[in-house]
Amino acid sequence: EVQLVESGGGLVQPGGSLRLSCAASGFTFSDHYMDWVRQAPGTGLEWVGRTRNKAQSYTTEYAASVKGRFIISRDDSKNSLYLQMNSLKTEDTAVYYCARATNYGPGSPLADYWGLGTLVTVSS
Amino acid sequence: IQLTQSPSSLSASVGDRVTITCRASQGISSYLAWYQQKPGKAPNLLIYGATTLQSGVPSRFSGSGSGTDFTLTISSLQPEDFATYYCQQLNSYPLTFGGGTKVEIK
Repeated sequence: EVQLVESGGGLVQPGGSLRLSCAASGFTFSDHYMDWVRQAPGTGLEWVGRTRNKAQSYTTEYAASVKGRFIISRDDSKNSLYLQMNSLKTEDTAVYYCARATNYGPGSPLADYWGLGTLVTVSS
Repeated sequence: IQLTQSPSSLSASVGDRVTITCRASQGISSYLAWYQQKPGKAPNLLIYGATTLQSGVPSRFSGSGSGTDFTLTISSLQPEDFATYYCQQLNSYPLTFGGGTKVEIK
């Protein structure tokens, strides 16, 4: 059974940093691209970014809203995904989901399994 | 690429046929997925490639469209279908979601 469990959320002041983790199990983690998606309270989904797999040199993509502030990384030996968030703003307050991305034919891989999310609150 | 969903919310009764639209700001071929999200839960993949039903998803859900205009149809709304639905484009980075359509009970 595919499982994704996020951790590391909490309260942080504006300008601060936080590192989220996502522990994966039930599938071959190293084969998959992995995504972070967030959802601010009462609003819709926002794609944060992606890390590709080793075959694609672990390259990353980011949304414009977080580029230069957030860094996505992974440790295939630990089946773990990370999101380093720096220079946090109040508008970064959201539930952060990690998601497994899988190829379903042409086009980019898409998120087919999601964790339950971890809440990040940026407030003074 | 911006995705515009309409309506943003709708009220419907059990058994109704429901259609949700998603319009892309530029052509995305058929690189579109639909997700369902219930309150307090993670999204669930319904459809990919604009028209292909994910395994395990009931056949009352269907998707159509290509290019810039897409639809998600629920042929006969069931109580468990009351949720928020999102489209996502997978044509180019950054990947983007539509604003969502909340389906409520009439």
